[in-house]
Amino acid sequence: DTEVTQTPKHLVMGMTNKKSLKCEQHMGHRAMYWYKQKAKKPPELMFVYSYEKLSINESVPSRFSPECPNSSLLNLHLHALQPEDSALYLCASSQRVGLPQAFFGQGTRLTVV
Amino acid sequence: AQRVTQPEKLLSVFKGAPVELKCNYSYSGSPELFWYVQYSRQRLQLLLRHISRESIKGFTADLNKGETSFHLKKPFAQEEDSAMYYCALSYNFGNEKLTFGTGTRLTIIP
Repeated sequence: DTEVTQTPKHLVMGMTNKKSLKCEQHMGHRAMYWYKQKAKKPPELMFVYSYEKLSINESVPSRFSPECPNSSLLNLHLHALQPEDSALYLCASSQRVGLPQAFFGQGTRLTVV
Repeated sequence: AQRVTQPEKLLSVFKGAPVELKCNYSYSGSPELFWYVQYSRQRLQLLLRHISRESIKGFTADLNKGETSFHLKKPFAQEEDSAMYYCALSYNFGNEKLTFGTGTRLTIIP
């Protein structure tokens, strides 16, 4: 299995809802990443996990809460989001931090209403 | 601060013609440079990295530190090359941060 799988593919949520995005890989990679991509813009790094520990938080608002419960799984918990948070959320993985981020998921397209 | 500039948002090239997608960067340290490609309705893929100095799908890119450039080239364009191309720079202590350029949408005209 050489893929990064993200679920759900699409998500519509209200500003008072709590939802979670999920990212899974079974390649034994120990670095996982969350990116946000607005329409017609490049991906922007949000978080980096290395060996299941958060190593980088790019000053992301606390309404986004990442979690890495094990080496294969990465979650992004969402709460009290704003309409401007609507975007494509991408997950990526690499063997370890410092090696190329070669594997990206298809993304979750999030719409906040 | 690090920055990646791709001056062309759109680029159209005839099939069989040479392709060059421009990328310039600014970073005070020693960056690692990459090209990523996103075909229609597909996920983002790593195309090549400057360290490996390889040719992938006929594409090559050379890091020019003097000009701080990492242009992507292919001598003869093919229709399947139509895609969105992002240049990216890896930096920080462990090279774990990746900054993308704004991308160039390449269209190959049959």
